[in-house]
Amino acid sequence: DAGVIQSPRHEVTEMGQEVTLRCKPISGHDYLFWYRQTMMRGLELLIYFNNNVPIDDSGMPEDRFSAKMPNASFSTLKIQPSEPRDSAVYFCASSLQGPNEQFFGPGTRLTVL
Amino acid sequence: KNQVEQSPQSLIILEGKNCTLQCNYTVSPFSNLRWYKQDTGRGPVSLTIMTFSENTKSNGRYTATLDADTKQSSLHITASQLSDSASYICVVSAGAGFQKLVFGTGTRLLVSP
Repeated sequence: DAGVIQSPRHEVTEMGQEVTLRCKPISGHDYLFWYRQTMMRGLELLIYFNNNVPIDDSGMPEDRFSAKMPNASFSTLKIQPSEPRDSAVYFCASSLQGPNEQFFGPGTRLTVL
Repeated sequence: KNQVEQSPQSLIILEGKNCTLQCNYTVSPFSNLRWYKQDTGRGPVSLTIMTFSENTKSNGRYTATLDADTKQSSLHITASQLSDSASYICVVSAGAGFQKLVFGTGTRLLVSP
């Protein structure tokens, strides 16, 4: 298995632009997570899905952030409009069931100028 | 407030030496504690997971300990190698749900030749 796949790996955009991050979880995993990582705050859970359904989005910082999972093999995290403080590394992770081992993707490094 | 504190923030050791990383938590109720290794530019990878009843667990040259009474955990690395250079993140689960994961900000370890 190729593991969790994220794209793009790097994204540089200007403030106010829309940003879409993409994730393909490990086949067969029924949980998908979106995290944000910064030097100051470390890893933060933004939202997670179970069987394509959003379960908890309490970590999503603002209405500018939205996430979807239209099917079991694809999820997006969208920021519209983006702001410089959104600059971070965004990780997607997936797991089989329960609060067990999560497998992380390589991350998307987002820079908002 | 649920918190996980790690020390030191950063550490430099010579190749072949041992080191110990610390994790103190104030998380309740406690479910489990996991140590992750995160290489630069990559997602975290799980090293060990311990539940309340376990006080030590090994994974090769990595040994994690847990003292649930003092709410402390340590990760001991034996005979360090250059490839051990990474960030090590302590994550404590405050309950059964993913939203109750509490992340430390990590210890950055550099193993010098």
